[in-house]
Amino acid sequence: EDKVVQSPLSLVVHEGDTVTLNCSYEVTNFRSLLWYKQEKKAPTFLFMLTSSGIEKKSGRLSSILDKKELFSILNITATQTGDSAIYLCAVATRDDKIIFGKGTRLHILP
Amino acid sequence: NAGVTQTPKFQVLKTGQSMTLQCAQDMNHNSMYWYRQDPGMGLRLIYYSASEGTTDKGEVPNGYNVSRLNKREFSLRLESAAPSQTSVYFCASSETNYANTGELFFGEGSRLTVL
Repeated sequence: EDKVVQSPLSLVVHEGDTVTLNCSYEVTNFRSLLWYKQEKKAPTFLFMLTSSGIEKKSGRLSSILDKKELFSILNITATQTGDSAIYLCAVATRDDKIIFGKGTRLHILP
Repeated sequence: NAGVTQTPKFQVLKTGQSMTLQCAQDMNHNSMYWYRQDPGMGLRLIYYSASEGTTDKGEVPNGYNVSRLNKREFSLRLESAAPSQTSVYFCASSETNYANTGELFFGEGSRLTVL
């Protein structure tokens, strides 16, 4: 059975801290790993990762994939209160199925 | 640009009633998805359609049926609603060719309450 496991499920830090969110997976026919941010409504796309060891960056956010160990991390540096959200990891398979983990609820204290 | 449009946005049903959630996308995407989101559970895949004319079960298909009416439209039907189906439902679409970013485009969500 395909599955995506995220940790921690919940995290509270102070503004300015750096956080690392984890995502491990077990799927057949892996195609890509995706990260999304969800605030009040629908999730918004952050990154897609397909190759091991290549870091994707967007401002203070970065992510990397390890296809041998079947995990990915999402780093957020110099966190701001606007980073408070649920961060979702998803895996897409070659038959176009896309499944999500339970998410990490991140709360940034001012 | 409308993107992904799903209706209705809110619905209250009584146990045993039926209803259909409608979803349409105007981006010419091949793949469409239905998810449900419950507190602390992330997004769980109900059904997906990799192309017009095909549908496949996801993680939690029981109690639901789907129809891929054409390339644009993918509907989700609850034949006999149960309180356990109270949730927020998201429709999404994606282009699944070699050039795509992997981005799922989501509708705004439909909040369903079953009493």
